[in-house]
Amino acid sequence: GAGVSQSPSNKVTEKGKDVELRCDPISGHTALYWYRQRLGQGLEFLIYFQGNSAPDKSGLPSDRFSAERTGESVSTLTIQRTQQEDSAVYLCASSPRGGLTLYEQYFGPGTRLTVT
Amino acid sequence: DQQVKQNSPSLSVQEGRISILNCDYTNSMFDYFLWYKKYPAEGPTFLISISSIKDKNEDGRFTVFLNKSAKHLSLHIVPSQPGDSAVYFCAARIDDKIIFGKGTRLHILP
Repeated sequence: GAGVSQSPSNKVTEKGKDVELRCDPISGHTALYWYRQRLGQGLEFLIYFQGNSAPDKSGLPSDRFSAERTGESVSTLTIQRTQQEDSAVYLCASSPRGGLTLYEQYFGPGTRLTVT
Repeated sequence: DQQVKQNSPSLSVQEGRISILNCDYTNSMFDYFLWYKKYPAEGPTFLISISSIKDKNEDGRFTVFLNKSAKHLSLHIVPSQPGDSAVYFCAARIDDKIIFGKGTRLHILP
C-alpha cells in the first residue's frame, strides 16, 4: 500500500522567498507530525496534528513557520521569508493514532530544502 | 539542551559480530524509548521500543536494554549483517512528543 509521500523531494530557494512543503499521510492515519533535520543534527519536532484537535505547535522555531492540515488528509508546511538556517530535510510522519501509539509513526522520504 | 544524546557519530563493526549502539538521556519523565533506522534518502523506520517500566526488550536480532538509574539505553544487534549499515536514531517520548538524538552511523564491515 502507499506510504507517506512528500513533495517536492528537493527544493532550492533564494533567501527571503516563501516555500510550501506538502505531506500526504497514509490514508486513515489521524496523527501527522512534521520534523526537521539539519545537517549533523537529530530530528527536531516541529508540529503535531491529531484529528480535529488544535495542533501542538510548540516546536515551530519562529513565526515564519506555519502548518495546516485539512481534516485527516494532506498537510502543508509553509516557511515565509526563508533564511539560510532553514536549510534542512523536512520530514513528515503519520500514525494511526497519536498519544500511546507514537511508535507506529511512518515517515515519508523528506523534502530537502536548500536556501541560497 | 539535548535531552537525548548519542555520543558516537559513527561505529564500524565486523559482519557477524555484535553491534552496540548507545544512548543517554536527561529527562526522567520519558515514558517510552524507541530506536529508528534510516537509510539514505529515506525516512526513518521504526525498529524497536521499550517502555520505561521494562529493562529489556528483544525482537529477533535486536535487543534494547534500559538502565533507568544511569539514564542509559543501548541497542544490541547480533549477528550484524551488511543490511544493518544505516543511521540509527535513539528517541524518547514525553507527552505526545518524541525527542530524537543526533543519530549514530553504523558501518558493517565485510
